[in-house]
Amino acid sequence: AQKVTQAQTEISVVEKEDVTLDCVYETRDTTYYLFWYKQPPSGELVFLIRRNSFDEQNEISGRYSWNFQKSTSSFNFTITASQVVDSAVYFCALSENSNTGKLIFGQGTTLQVKP
Amino acid sequence: NAGVTQTPKFRILKIGQSMTLQCAQDMNHNYMYWYRQDPGMGLKLIYYSVGAGITDKGEVPNGYNVSRSTTEDFPLRLELAAPSQTSVYFCASSKTSAVNTGELFFGEGSRLTVL
Repeated sequence: AQKVTQAQTEISVVEKEDVTLDCVYETRDTTYYLFWYKQPPSGELVFLIRRNSFDEQNEISGRYSWNFQKSTSSFNFTITASQVVDSAVYFCALSENSNTGKLIFGQGTTLQVKP
Repeated sequence: NAGVTQTPKFRILKIGQSMTLQCAQDMNHNYMYWYRQDPGMGLKLIYYSVGAGITDKGEVPNGYNVSRSTTEDFPLRLELAAPSQTSVYFCASSKTSAVNTGELFFGEGSRLTVL
Protein backbone atom coordinates (compact mmCIF):
# COMPACT_ATOMS: atom_id res chain seq x y z
CA ALA A 1 0.00 0.00 0.00
CA GLN A 2 1.06 3.57 -0.55
CA LYS A 3 2.19 5.58 2.40
CA VAL A 4 3.98 8.84 3.06
CA THR A 5 5.67 9.50 6.37
CA GLN A 6 6.83 12.87 7.59
CA ALA A 7 8.31 11.98 10.94
CA GLN A 8 8.98 15.57 11.99
CA THR A 9 5.75 17.00 13.35
CA GLU A 10 7.15 20.42 14.22
CA ILE A 11 10.47 22.12 13.61
CA SER A 12 11.55 25.46 15.02
CA VAL A 13 14.60 27.32 13.71
CA VAL A 14 16.01 30.80 13.93
CA GLU A 15 16.07 32.91 10.81
CA LYS A 16 19.00 32.24 8.46
CA GLU A 17 19.43 28.69 9.66
CA ASP A 18 19.21 25.88 7.13
CA VAL A 19 16.49 23.32 7.72
CA THR A 20 15.68 19.95 6.15
CA LEU A 21 12.22 18.43 6.10
CA ASP A 22 12.19 14.67 5.79
CA CYS A 23 9.82 12.61 3.67
CA VAL A 24 9.84 8.83 3.35
CA TYR A 25 7.43 7.03 1.06
CA GLU A 26 6.26 3.49 0.36
CA THR A 27 4.96 2.23 -2.95
CA ARG A 28 5.06 -0.97 -5.00
CA ASP A 29 4.94 0.87 -8.29
CA THR A 30 8.01 1.52 -10.38
CA THR A 31 6.44 4.64 -11.85
CA TYR A 32 5.21 7.27 -9.44
CA TYR A 33 5.30 10.97 -8.69
CA LEU A 34 6.36 12.87 -5.59
CA PHE A 35 5.22 16.34 -4.60
CA TRP A 36 5.82 19.00 -1.99
CA TYR A 37 3.17 21.53 -1.04
CA LYS A 38 3.37 24.52 1.30
CA GLN A 39 0.43 25.63 3.45
CA PRO A 40 1.08 29.09 4.92
CA PRO A 41 -0.99 30.40 7.85
CA SER A 42 -3.56 31.77 5.40
CA GLY A 43 -4.52 28.17 4.66
CA GLU A 44 -4.17 27.75 0.92
CA LEU A 45 -2.01 24.95 -0.51
CA VAL A 46 0.83 26.06 -2.72
CA PHE A 47 2.52 23.66 -5.11
CA LEU A 48 6.33 23.61 -4.79
CA ILE A 49 7.67 20.72 -6.84
CA ARG A 50 6.82 17.51 -8.68
CA ARG A 51 9.27 14.69 -9.40
CA ASN A 52 8.72 11.48 -11.30
CA SER A 53 10.37 8.27 -10.21
CA PHE A 54 12.72 8.16 -13.18
CA ASP A 55 14.31 11.49 -12.43
CA GLU A 56 16.63 11.29 -9.44
CA GLN A 57 18.42 14.52 -10.13
CA ASN A 58 18.41 16.87 -7.22
CA GLU A 59 16.72 20.17 -7.86
CA ILE A 60 17.42 23.65 -6.62
CA SER A 61 15.09 26.61 -6.84
CA GLY A 62 16.45 29.66 -5.10
CA ARG A 63 16.73 28.83 -1.40
CA TYR A 64 14.82 25.58 -1.86
CA SER A 65 16.39 22.27 -2.79
CA TRP A 66 15.15 18.72 -2.98
CA ASN A 67 17.07 15.47 -2.55
CA PHE A 68 15.37 12.44 -4.14
CA GLN A 69 16.91 9.06 -3.27
CA LYS A 70 15.12 5.96 -4.51
CA SER A 71 17.51 3.69 -2.60
CA THR A 72 16.13 5.00 0.69
CA SER A 73 12.66 5.96 -0.61
CA SER A 74 13.17 9.51 0.51
CA PHE A 75 12.39 12.90 -0.96
CA ASN A 76 13.77 15.47 1.45
CA PHE A 77 13.31 19.21 1.22
CA THR A 78 15.92 21.73 2.38
CA ILE A 79 15.43 25.43 2.92
CA THR A 80 18.68 27.36 2.99
CA ALA A 81 18.96 30.56 5.00
CA SER A 82 15.40 30.29 6.27
CA GLN A 83 13.19 33.34 6.55
CA VAL A 84 10.16 34.13 8.68
CA VAL A 85 7.98 33.89 5.54
CA ASP A 86 8.96 30.22 5.28
CA SER A 87 6.87 29.52 8.37
CA ALA A 88 4.16 27.13 7.20
CA VAL A 89 3.03 23.54 7.17
CA TYR A 90 4.80 21.53 4.48
CA PHE A 91 3.28 18.41 2.98
CA CYS A 92 4.96 15.68 1.03
CA ALA A 93 2.69 13.64 -1.26
CA LEU A 94 2.87 10.58 -3.49
CA SER A 95 0.91 9.59 -6.57
CA GLU A 96 1.13 6.25 -8.28
CA ASN A 97 0.86 6.04 -12.03
CA SER A 98 -2.76 4.92 -11.82
CA ASN A 99 -4.26 7.48 -14.22
CA THR A 100 -6.32 8.95 -11.43
CA GLY A 101 -3.91 11.61 -10.23
CA LYS A 102 -4.79 10.86 -6.62
CA LEU A 103 -2.30 12.08 -4.07
CA ILE A 104 -1.50 10.42 -0.77
CA PHE A 105 -0.32 13.06 1.67
CA GLY A 106 1.98 12.81 4.63
CA GLN A 107 0.88 14.24 7.96
CA GLY A 108 2.74 17.47 7.35
CA THR A 109 5.62 19.21 9.11
CA THR A 110 5.00 22.55 10.79
CA LEU A 111 7.99 24.81 10.34
CA GLN A 112 8.35 27.85 12.54
CA VAL A 113 11.08 30.31 11.66
CA LYS A 114 11.77 32.77 14.43
CA PRO A 115 13.29 36.20 13.78
CA ASN B 1 -7.56 34.14 -13.22
CA ALA B 2 -9.96 32.34 -10.84
CA GLY B 3 -8.50 28.79 -10.82
CA VAL B 4 -10.43 26.66 -8.32
CA THR B 5 -13.24 28.42 -6.47
CA GLN B 6 -14.89 27.01 -3.37
CA THR B 7 -17.98 28.27 -1.59
CA PRO B 8 -18.78 28.84 1.19
CA LYS B 9 -15.51 29.59 3.00
CA PHE B 10 -17.06 29.06 6.42
CA ARG B 11 -20.19 27.28 7.58
CA ILE B 12 -21.64 26.11 10.87
CA LEU B 13 -24.11 23.26 10.74
CA LYS B 14 -26.26 21.59 13.32
CA ILE B 15 -26.12 17.82 13.70
CA GLY B 16 -28.38 16.20 11.14
CA GLN B 17 -28.47 19.12 8.73
CA SER B 18 -27.41 18.78 5.12
CA MET B 19 -25.44 21.07 2.88
CA THR B 20 -23.48 21.24 -0.34
CA LEU B 21 -19.97 22.58 -0.74
CA GLN B 22 -19.56 24.05 -4.18
CA CYS B 23 -16.42 23.76 -6.28
CA ALA B 24 -15.79 25.19 -9.72
CA GLN B 25 -12.65 25.36 -11.85
CA ASP B 26 -12.05 27.32 -15.02
CA MET B 27 -8.90 25.58 -16.23
CA ASN B 28 -10.69 22.88 -18.24
CA HIS B 29 -9.18 20.17 -16.05
CA ASN B 30 -10.76 16.76 -16.35
CA TYR B 31 -9.62 15.56 -12.94
CA MET B 32 -11.14 16.92 -9.73
CA TYR B 33 -10.86 15.93 -6.08
CA TRP B 34 -12.26 16.58 -2.64
CA TYR B 35 -9.97 16.31 0.36
CA ARG B 36 -10.55 16.95 4.02
CA GLN B 37 -7.88 18.19 6.38
CA ASP B 38 -8.01 17.41 10.06
CA PRO B 39 -5.41 18.80 12.49
CA GLY B 40 -2.17 16.82 12.38
CA MET B 41 -3.60 14.31 9.93
CA GLY B 42 -2.64 15.64 6.54
CA LEU B 43 -5.21 15.54 3.75
CA LYS B 44 -7.49 12.60 3.16
CA LEU B 45 -9.22 11.98 -0.17
CA ILE B 46 -13.01 11.86 0.01
CA TYR B 47 -14.07 11.53 -3.63
CA TYR B 48 -12.56 12.16 -7.00
CA SER B 49 -13.61 12.41 -10.63
CA VAL B 50 -11.64 11.79 -13.80
CA GLY B 51 -14.20 13.44 -16.03
CA ALA B 52 -17.78 14.58 -16.36
CA GLY B 53 -20.18 11.82 -15.40
CA ILE B 54 -17.48 9.76 -13.62
CA THR B 55 -16.92 9.75 -9.87
CA ASP B 56 -15.25 7.37 -7.48
CA LYS B 57 -14.67 6.96 -3.77
CA GLY B 58 -11.48 7.94 -2.09
CA GLU B 59 -10.16 7.00 1.31
CA VAL B 60 -12.93 8.51 3.49
CA PRO B 61 -16.20 8.68 1.49
CA ASN B 62 -18.72 7.78 4.20
CA GLY B 63 -21.25 10.50 4.86
CA TYR B 64 -20.59 12.31 1.59
CA ASN B 65 -21.83 12.28 -1.98
CA VAL B 66 -20.61 13.96 -5.15
CA SER B 67 -21.75 14.54 -8.69
CA ARG B 68 -19.97 15.69 -11.82
CA SER B 69 -22.44 16.81 -14.43
CA THR B 70 -20.03 19.27 -16.06
CA THR B 71 -16.27 19.53 -16.43
CA GLU B 72 -16.24 22.74 -14.39
CA ASP B 73 -18.26 21.80 -11.31
CA PHE B 74 -17.76 19.17 -8.62
CA PRO B 75 -20.08 19.74 -5.64
CA LEU B 76 -19.71 17.79 -2.39
CA ARG B 77 -22.89 16.93 -0.53
CA LEU B 78 -22.99 16.26 3.20
CA GLU B 79 -26.09 14.39 4.31
CA LEU B 80 -27.00 14.25 8.00
CA ALA B 81 -24.02 16.20 9.24
CA ALA B 82 -22.12 14.74 12.20
CA PRO B 83 -19.49 16.30 14.50
CA SER B 84 -16.91 13.97 12.92
CA GLN B 85 -17.34 15.94 9.71
CA THR B 86 -15.99 19.10 11.30
CA SER B 87 -12.97 19.78 9.13
CA VAL B 88 -11.46 21.95 6.45
CA TYR B 89 -12.45 20.81 2.99
CA PHE B 90 -10.33 21.38 -0.07
CA CYS B 91 -11.36 20.98 -3.65
CA ALA B 92 -8.63 20.49 -6.24
CA SER B 93 -8.27 19.97 -9.94
CA SER B 94 -5.51 18.58 -12.09
CA LYS B 95 -4.48 18.35 -15.70
CA THR B 96 -3.48 14.74 -15.15
CA SER B 97 -3.73 12.58 -18.22
CA ALA B 98 -3.36 8.87 -18.91
CA VAL B 99 0.40 9.24 -19.19
CA ASN B 100 1.23 12.05 -16.83
CA THR B 101 0.26 12.96 -13.29
CA GLY B 102 0.13 16.69 -12.93
CA GLU B 103 0.13 18.77 -9.83
CA LEU B 104 -3.10 19.56 -8.03
CA PHE B 105 -4.44 23.10 -8.01
CA PHE B 106 -6.31 23.74 -4.78
CA GLY B 107 -9.14 26.00 -3.80
CA GLU B 108 -8.84 28.15 -0.70
CA GLY B 109 -10.70 25.68 1.48
CA SER B 110 -14.05 25.57 3.25
CA ARG B 111 -14.07 25.41 7.03
CA LEU B 112 -17.06 23.44 8.27
CA THR B 113 -18.10 23.11 11.90
CA VAL B 114 -20.84 20.71 12.97
CA LEU B 115 -22.32 21.39 16.41
